[in-house]
Amino acid sequence: DSGVTQTPKHLITATGQRVTLRCSPRSGDLSVYWYQQSLDQGLQFLIQYYNGEERAKGNILERFSAQQFPDLHSELNLSSLELGDSALYFCASSVEAQPVGYYGYTFGSGTRLTVV
Amino acid sequence: LAKTTQPISMDSYEGQEVNITCSHNNIATNDYITWYQQFPSQGPRFIIQGYKTKVTNEVASLFIPADRKSSTLSLPRVSLSDTAVYYCLVGDMRPNTGGFKTIFGAGTRLFVKA
Repeated sequence: DSGVTQTPKHLITATGQRVTLRCSPRSGDLSVYWYQQSLDQGLQFLIQYYNGEERAKGNILERFSAQQFPDLHSELNLSSLELGDSALYFCASSVEAQPVGYYGYTFGSGTRLTVV
Repeated sequence: LAKTTQPISMDSYEGQEVNITCSHNNIATNDYITWYQQFPSQGPRFIIQGYKTKVTNEVASLFIPADRKSSTLSLPRVSLSDTAVYYCLVGDMRPNTGGFKTIFGAGTRLFVKA
């Protein structure tokens, strides 16, 4: 158990629908990062939040949005889903706005989204 | 942010030492080198991190030459359970500098055979 909790573990939904993925960071970590990993692809950075504020944006579609709440958990909202959105979505956390020290990110076990 | 180049895949046998080299010609002065391991359907896991020379922990060793333009992850006596994707990341460790949040490439797929 890495300490980063992602729910749900699996999600199957239809095209056009909207889903919400949830992430609870490791205790003490202020920064949350979201990544997308399609089949046999590398990890694509989507967005970063630090202590409730958006800190950095990557290749995140306009149909996707995220937020970090006062208790530091984060939610990734995916709307108007397309078949190509099927992927593993990972959340990672770290203490500082950028990983400091010798451990970098701690990743959760991911949410597998299947759009049918 | 420094770009990294790794072999796409490598094969090995149980009990052998595996060395995976990563090229990062544009590494900056403040950049650290970090390696992650990812099993199928799991999140990446930190393996080792270094700045220069050699770093060793209970899992692996990391060799970084003086010019720091490459690094080699060394896995001693691999087992079947070491079959995974290994990512080399390079980034500035200082706060608010961007780190390596975007630099997960395709990684190196290591296949360990019996």
